[in-house]
Amino acid sequence: AQSVAQPEDQVNVAEGNPLTVKCTYSVSGNPYLFWYVQYPNRGLQFLLKYITGDNLVKGSYGFEAEFNKSQTSFHLKKPSALVSDSALYFCAVRDTQTGANNLFFGTGTRLTVIP
Amino acid sequence: EPEVTQTPSHQVTQMGQEVILRCVPISNHLYFYWYRQILGQKVEFLVSFYNNEISEKSEIFDDQFSVERPDGSNFTLKIRSTKLEDSAMYFCASRPGQGFSYNSPLHFGNGTRLTVT
Repeated sequence: AQSVAQPEDQVNVAEGNPLTVKCTYSVSGNPYLFWYVQYPNRGLQFLLKYITGDNLVKGSYGFEAEFNKSQTSFHLKKPSALVSDSALYFCAVRDTQTGANNLFFGTGTRLTVIP
Repeated sequence: EPEVTQTPSHQVTQMGQEVILRCVPISNHLYFYWYRQILGQKVEFLVSFYNNEISEKSEIFDDQFSVERPDGSNFTLKIRSTKLEDSAMYFCASRPGQGFSYNSPLHFGNGTRLTVT
């Protein structure tokens, strides 16, 4: 069975500081990993994905994420946080072995960037 | 940039009533999905739809739920007899088909907030 864990419900960071939002996963086969962001009263917006290749993937708005197979992690990072980055962030996984075409989401992490 | 659109943005209904949530996926997409989110919490998969039939569904998607693609553009979610616990934000999503790769991200609409009283 596939699962995604986002161990932090809330992350606070000062503007200009680096931010990290953590995600670990569990799948049967190789994972396809995604990060989405949700602003208030909006749908989920795609940020970035890892499919194969370079473990460091870059996405929208200056975000990046590092795939670590040994730690089964896919943490989201940004070198310098902006107040506008404040939102709800979701990690998601698709299990290639099961052939499921849906995404399985984590519980979300609320990021607050403090001016 | 093309978007997934959902109507209405907010639906209030009484317990036991039927509701239909509507979605217009991106026009060249072939896979369609419904997810729900309760109180800004976890996003839960309900159902996926491809080639005019359900391809996968979760345990949440019981006999009270159904989906339909009545024409070439709309994708609907029907709840036959709503319960209080059906109150949630319902998101429609779509993605391109096999030719655009299996790993393409889902594109989400802004959701319909369903309130069952």
